[in-house]
Amino acid sequence: EAGVVQSPRYKIIEKKQPVAFWCNPISGHNTLYWYLQNLGQGPELLIRYENEEAVDDSQLPKDRFSAERLKGVDSTLKIQPAELGDSAVYLCASSSGQGAIAGGDEQFFGPGTRLTVL
Amino acid sequence: GDSVTQMEGPVTLSEEAFLTINCTYTATGYPSLFWYVQYPGEGLQLLLKATKADDKGSNKGFEATYRKETTSFHLEKGSVQVSDSAVYFCALSDVPDYGNNRLAFGKGNQVVVIP
Repeated sequence: EAGVVQSPRYKIIEKKQPVAFWCNPISGHNTLYWYLQNLGQGPELLIRYENEEAVDDSQLPKDRFSAERLKGVDSTLKIQPAELGDSAVYLCASSSGQGAIAGGDEQFFGPGTRLTVL
Repeated sequence: GDSVTQMEGPVTLSEEAFLTINCTYTATGYPSLFWYVQYPGEGLQLLLKATKADDKGSNKGFEATYRKETTSFHLEKGSVQVSDSAVYFCALSDVPDYGNNRLAFGKGNQVVVIP
């Protein structure tokens, strides 16, 4: 079974440019997450989708960040315009959503996209 | 809010040594606790978990016991191998009341095992 797929793996852009990251979750997983991981830190949730609905986006900086999950499968995270401080690894994860009540169902992570803003 | 604290700094040890990584948490409810591992160039993988007090999670020779009295979930392995070199993250997920499954992660610990 294929895991969570993310692309690109690496991206280098100049500040003020736009950038987009793509995520394909594990087949059949209804819940999709985007996390931000700064160097030397643990991941922090940006947004969580249940199917195509964003149910937790309280940590997403909405002035420059946007996300979508059309059709409830693939998702795209966009930054426009990018700033130097956005350099980080952007992780996508998915879960089945079947066991959320029983202490949280397992989240499967992709390899991440490492963004460098110059 | 809910948070996880891991011991500071990388951990360097010799092959077959005993490994301990400390993790303590703060939560308002009854969290589930997790250890994730990130091997070089790969995504985070769930290593083990425990969903209630006194539960012991175990996998690949690693163990961690959910200690409510000390709000801790320390990771241990009796004899590490070079292949255990990775970054280890402690995390919690508060028991959802409406389906929230947000994970709160610690900062992670780099473990380097020397042959």
